[in-house]
Amino acid sequence: QSALTQPASVSGSHGQSITISCTGFISDVDGYNYVSWYQQRAGKVPKLLIYDVSNRPSGVSDRFSGSESGNTASLTISGLQAEDEADYFCCSYTSIGTPWVFGTGTKVTVL
Amino acid sequence: QVQLVESGGGLVKPGESLRLSCAASGFTFSDHYMTWIRQAPGKGLEWLSYISISGFTIYYADSVKGRFTISRDNARNSLYLQMDSVRAEDTAIYYCARERLRSLDNWGQGTLVIVSS
Repeated sequence: QSALTQPASVSGSHGQSITISCTGFISDVDGYNYVSWYQQRAGKVPKLLIYDVSNRPSGVSDRFSGSESGNTASLTISGLQAEDEADYFCCSYTSIGTPWVFGTGTKVTVL
Repeated sequence: QVQLVESGGGLVKPGESLRLSCAASGFTFSDHYMTWIRQAPGKGLEWLSYISISGFTIYYADSVKGRFTISRDNARNSLYLQMDSVRAEDTAIYYCARERLRSLDNWGQGTLVIVSS
């Protein structure tokens, strides 16, 4: 099972909004509403931000939101802050091979 | 609070074996599927394996199938990963994580495995 495709890097100015895409196939992103997103700050453990495409666990800022259209899921960060500098990974259920597959990861830089 | 603590990592030679452990606390371990994920130095996350509550359902990534074995002991609140015939490309930080609502909602701090002669 190939990794889901994410842009290698996305940048934005403080206060702006950015969107990270996660592109898969009918066997994963397009076929199931089971996409989750994780934030990993430098040297830290990944943290769950979004589950089931658009749901936020308690304690996660509402500046993070998720959506999906066809075979592409997206994570939007609104009101970008310095603390949002991190790597972001999507993950989807897949019907081919392993049950879960991660995206390639996106490095977010706050200018 | 939920806590997952991995142990057992270290330096191992190619072809040798290693057993990783993950001690769980702060939640009912036997109510959750559990997962192993790894991250090679400077690379992304790779889903490796998961095990159902009973241990009856198990999946592996192709990269470790036939070499790694996941298991759990609900009485000891522990998850394990037996790593056999390790290769240089198995060098990574290994994380255990709790599965909830079709996502990984709690992760351990990770244990580093280095495969080198």
